[in-house]
Amino acid sequence: QSALTQPASVSGSPGQSITISCTGTSSDVGGYNYVSWYQQHPGKAPKLMIYDVSNRPSGVSNRFSGSKSGNTASLTISGLQAEDEADYYCSSYTSSSTHYVFGTGTKVTVL
Amino acid sequence: QVQLQESGPGLVKPSQTLSLTCTVSGGSISSGGYYWSWIRQHPGKGLEWIGYIYYSGSTYYNPSLKSRVTISVDTSKNQFSLKLSSVTAADTAVYYCARVVGWYFDLWGRGTLVTVSS
Repeated sequence: QSALTQPASVSGSPGQSITISCTGTSSDVGGYNYVSWYQQHPGKAPKLMIYDVSNRPSGVSNRFSGSKSGNTASLTISGLQAEDEADYYCSSYTSSSTHYVFGTGTKVTVL
Repeated sequence: QVQLQESGPGLVKPSQTLSLTCTVSGGSISSGGYYWSWIRQHPGKGLEWIGYIYYSGSTYYNPSLKSRVTISVDTSKNQFSLKLSSVTAADTAVYYCARVVGWYFDLWGRGTLVTVSS
């Protein structure tokens, strides 16, 4: 099972919107609405930001939103803030025996 | 609220068995509805799912690690554990325990770095 493909880095200025893509296959991202997104600051544990493609857990800012089209899921951060600078990982259920697959990770830089 | 905390040796010799425990506080591991998982992150790399366990003891492992992994649960202590045998330098990573809801991980421990070295 190969990792889901994410851009290595995405950057934006404060207040702007950015979108991180997560590309898989019909066996994972495209086949199920079980995509989740995690934020990880350096030296910290990942934090759930989006689950089941577009749902936000309680306490997560509504500046974070998720969507999916075909085999590609996306995380959009609007009104970019300095505290959003972190690594972001997508994850999906996969019909392969692995069950879970993570993305390659994207470093978000706030300029 | 529910919190998870990993514990165990930070240094393991090659060919030996890595053993970690995750203590769950603020909630019962036996309450049902959740699976309990181990995930690792190699230095500077992405995340790799290792396996999960239900409070009843049923498990599922990543096929790539299945031959070396055992996850167990101790409901009396509200803990679940990871054993990874025959470790090599490639097993050096930060190991996280996490709670599984459906097909996502909603709570994570802070992680513990395990280095495999003689």
